[in-house]
Amino acid sequence: HVQLVESGGALVKPGGSLRLSCAASGFNFRNSFMSWIRQAPGKGLEWLSYIDTDSSYTNYADSVKGRFTISRNNAQESLYLQMNSLRADDTAVYYCARTYGDYMDYWGQGTLVTVSS
Amino acid sequence: QSALTQPASVSGSPGQSITISCTGTNSDIGAYDSVSWYQQLPGKAPRLVLYDVTGRPSGVSNRFSGSKSGNTASLTISGLQAEDEADYYCSSYSSSSPVLFGGGTKLTVL
Repeated sequence: HVQLVESGGALVKPGGSLRLSCAASGFNFRNSFMSWIRQAPGKGLEWLSYIDTDSSYTNYADSVKGRFTISRNNAQESLYLQMNSLRADDTAVYYCARTYGDYMDYWGQGTLVTVSS
Repeated sequence: QSALTQPASVSGSPGQSITISCTGTNSDIGAYDSVSWYQQLPGKAPRLVLYDVTGRPSGVSNRFSGSKSGNTASLTISGLQAEDEADYYCSSYSSSSPVLFGGGTKLTVL
């Protein structure tokens, strides 16, 4: 069955960096678009970024453009999110999701990132 | 880009039907048949319940249905059950962002 497992969430100081990972299994990862979405505590969902199958196309929300970088390793069936210049308002649960066109059909359980001094 | 507009909360009794609206603009909902809906149970990850306005993924109850008129999309849940109590989010493709979410609606089953 489809499984997405995020990892890498941690407590980090403002201005710091963090790399999130998402391990995929149970589906054809190399032929799937993938996305990152986050949810601040008690708030709604915010789409952050997606990447196509061979990393030739990526897209970012304005809130993270220039600070976050999405990438993937198809051989290892893994998705990544490099987060730099972190701010307090980046505190959230971060989800990876398989993306089919304009919707996300499978989601991971999420990993918590806390930005605080 | 502003989020899509959803009511903060709706409620209904078991067996009743409820409808959650999702209002956008003619740059998102009004322009594309790309509205999807997600159910988020307390403490859990979101789960896709509708896609492309009316599409229902395998395993999702046929009590969930969708529609769209102009710039507003709707999710209807019929035969309300206690297990339906959750937060619901709409999303749409838009001309300025591939994925635009609504603010979410908390459904309470009385």
